[in-house]
Amino acid sequence: RKEVEQDPGPFNVPEGATVAFNCTYSNSASQSFFWYRQDCRKEPKLLMSVYSSGNEDGRFTAQLNRASQYISLLIRDSKLSDSATYLCVVNPRYNFNKFYFGSGTKLNVKP
Amino acid sequence: GAGVSQSPSNKVTEKGKDVELRCDPISGHTALYWYRQSLGQGLEFLIYFQGNSAPDKSGLPSDRFSAERTGGSVSTLTIQRTQQEDSAVYLCASSPDHYEQYFGPGTRLTVT
Repeated sequence: RKEVEQDPGPFNVPEGATVAFNCTYSNSASQSFFWYRQDCRKEPKLLMSVYSSGNEDGRFTAQLNRASQYISLLIRDSKLSDSATYLCVVNPRYNFNKFYFGSGTKLNVKP
Repeated sequence: GAGVSQSPSNKVTEKGKDVELRCDPISGHTALYWYRQSLGQGLEFLIYFQGNSAPDKSGLPSDRFSAERTGGSVSTLTIQRTQQEDSAVYLCASSPDHYEQYFGPGTRLTVT
């Protein structure tokens, strides 16, 4: 079983829509959680960390559900520039050297 | 300031040849990671360096893969006797605090 699993999508949404992605992780001892964004043929870049209490950064909201072992990313008022692949990343407590990346969820925002 | 740089950006090599991939991390970043990403896949952890500590090599897929980091800065990933399944994008990342990772643009390796 993979450490981190994501729906590959693509999610095709119109501008202005609200879209949400989930990501499940297998190890309950996981400690830190992140969302990275990767544009086509580019390197990943940190979008936001995910805190236990949930956190918001502008149009983006991240949530953590430890009981069900998933994290979510909500994007409100989607922009064309939000089109990218969103990678879920988990850092386990038992080996904080390692970051496990999901395969990513592709988002296409259309005019 | 300067970000993480990697060279070459593209490398085409014949099966069985050795290749060296280079990573220049952001100055002052003590942590350095190597990953590879195959088409449509997530990033696969390869190796991690932290300061002067022994590297975590647990992600290296075979003994054909090795990496070193000289002087706590530049790192080189070497793949010996390349195979077609080694074709992927090899990404290097550095971090000042084991939190946010800053990625380089990657080296696209094609083994023919």
